[in-house]
Amino acid sequence: AQTVTQSQPEMSVQEAETVTLSCTYDTSESNYYLFWYKQPPSRQMILVIRQEAYKQQNATENRFSVNFQKAAKSFSLKISDSQLGDTAMYFCASTNNNAGNMLTFGGGTRLMVKP
Amino acid sequence: NAGVTQTPKFQVLKTGQSMTLQCAQDMNHEYMSWYRQDPGMGLRLIHYSVGAGITDQGEVPNGYNVSRSTTEDFPLRLLSAAPSQTSVYFCASSGTGGGYTFGSGTRLTVV
Repeated sequence: AQTVTQSQPEMSVQEAETVTLSCTYDTSESNYYLFWYKQPPSRQMILVIRQEAYKQQNATENRFSVNFQKAAKSFSLKISDSQLGDTAMYFCASTNNNAGNMLTFGGGTRLMVKP
Repeated sequence: NAGVTQTPKFQVLKTGQSMTLQCAQDMNHEYMSWYRQDPGMGLRLIHYSVGAGITDQGEVPNGYNVSRSTTEDFPLRLLSAAPSQTSVYFCASSGTGGGYTFGSGTRLTVV
């Protein structure tokens, strides 16, 4: 079974600054994917970024990037130039192709971007 | 617009009532799942399907039934609603390689 842990229940950052959200995971699979999802107050789940475990290069999507440390089973999300619209819950999740693509979620980090 | 459509958005049930949450996707995705989200927690898997005619249980399946007669539809049935099933429910679909697309959620209250 996979487990995902987010150790920071809440974080805050000043607008335009950089913040890093932490995530660790545990899996016995060799082929898996990792994701960060954003959930704003509208409660819609929005895919922010995904990482394929067999790729060593860290994924990047505009202001969002990850630091994927496979040996340490760590998958942190860095948000650069934080904007007020980044205020949301952020969930780290993992899946593997051998389990019907089921997602296992961490408990979430509530991020507040302050003006 | 392509995506995952969930209905209803809100529902109040009395204890013991039954109902079906509807989920449809138009992306021809193989994988579909139902999750529940309780306050202050991440999403937990209820049931999932890897294709039409195939379903399996997730982490918290008790009190729920699913079926997958077509690729597009994956309804979730509450057999006899209990207050412990008060939650927000999300349906999601995915092709191969992960990256689920989520519906907008159903807020269910059981009184």
